Amino acid sequence: GAVVSQHPSRVICKSGTSVKIECRSLDFQATTMFWYRQFPKQSLMLMATSNEGSKATYEQGVEKDKFLINHASLTLSTLTVTSAHPEDSSFYICSAMTGNMNTEAFFGQGTRLTVV
Amino acid sequence: RKEVEQDPGPFNVPEGATVAFNCTYSNSASQSFFWYRQDCRKEPKLLMSVYSSGNEDGRFTAQLNRASQYISLLIRDSKLSDSATYLCVVTDTGRRALTFGSGTRLQVQP
Repeated sequence: GAVVSQHPSRVICKSGTSVKIECRSLDFQATTMFWYRQFPKQSLMLMATSNEGSKATYEQGVEKDKFLINHASLTLSTLTVTSAHPEDSSFYICSAMTGNMNTEAFFGQGTRLTVV
Repeated sequence: RKEVEQDPGPFNVPEGATVAFNCTYSNSASQSFFWYRQDCRKEPKLLMSVYSSGNEDGRFTAQLNRASQYISLLIRDSKLSDSATYLCVVTDTGRRALTFGSGTRLQVQP
């Protein structure tokens, strides 16, 4: 099946620094990728929809200036957490779909971010 | 009210047991329905899609009731390897992002 690769899998950073997370579709072109965040024992919450060649669409309550999304090619989307705070510590997961809406979503392995 | 609601569990069952999970969704425009499995600290993986006619994949059976906005997953002959969190997932017309329930945790015991 299709593969989505996410990097890094784990990162620890200091408060105030920025962290970039990459999401790559390895064997298919993804015009749309999705970024989710999951806090412990909670469901995955959609943060934003990343569209290749255009601005990302952010969900209500998600600060676009804090979570910068770039989808410069059909195989790569990046999420940058700027000026990270401890409350940004979470599990971030990207996903991509192929074809139409009923097609399976493929997930990256996730990135566990810890801000100290 | 959450868009997708699930009983968080945990469901602790012995090997070989049959266990059923339920899920309700609030958006009547929801179009596609899935069950995903998530192991601890891992990404979700598709278990099965859910169709109005019901569908079965080995020991797993999924049912959808659109009138009641209700989805179910039945696992027969539980294995230790079935221990995981099961996520109920829906999408609605025109929106390709997935909406996740908070998951139901299953622990199968020897």
